[in-house]
Amino acid sequence: DSGVTQTPKHLITATGQRVTLRCSPRSGDLSVYWYQQSLDQGLQFLIQYYNGEERAKGNILERFSAQQFPDLHSELNLSSLELGDSALYFCASSVLGGGAGELFFGEGSRLTVL
Amino acid sequence: GESVGLHLPTLSVQEGDNSIINCAYSNSASDYFIWYKQESGKGPQFIIDIRSNMDKRQGQRVTVLLNKTVKHLSLQIAATQPGDSAVYFCAEGRGDTGGGNKLTFGTGTQLKVEL
Repeated sequence: DSGVTQTPKHLITATGQRVTLRCSPRSGDLSVYWYQQSLDQGLQFLIQYYNGEERAKGNILERFSAQQFPDLHSELNLSSLELGDSALYFCASSVLGGGAGELFFGEGSRLTVL
Repeated sequence: GESVGLHLPTLSVQEGDNSIINCAYSNSASDYFIWYKQESGKGPQFIIDIRSNMDKRQGQRVTVLLNKTVKHLSLQIAATQPGDSAVYFCAEGRGDTGGGNKLTFGTGTQLKVEL
């Protein structure tokens, strides 16, 4: 158990819909990261927050947005969903914001868009 | 652009043998490299990391070797066990002055341990 909690574990929705994925980082971790894992793209970095502020941005679509709240949990919002958005979405956390450091991953939220 | 790739998609080894998983990277500006293990249905789990100013680092039954000349990274697992069966990802990372920490993952190698 990494200590990172993600909900929901599974989510099935239709194209055009909007979903919110939630992540609670490990106790004491200030950084939260979101990754997308699909069969053809592997693990893709989406975005990082550190203590409530956006710190790094990867290949995150404009239809996607995220935020980190004062209690350090984070939400990833996916809107106008397309079939290609079907994937595993992982949240990870770490103590620090930059440099080398172990990222602790949650078990992911599997999104299926029909 | 940046890319981190793996030489082999699947590696099969006999239990008790040593495993070597290879990874090529293209971004010479990386500060560090990390190996992750992902078991079916779970999130990636940290195995070992190495800074770009090192060429070897050892952990428990694992060794990571970094060859910056040819931009090659390898993970050696000694006395491979059935529990080592998983997908292994190499990742390269760079911190930035703004506190960002961006990991770029390779596509993964499936390690299968045969009894």
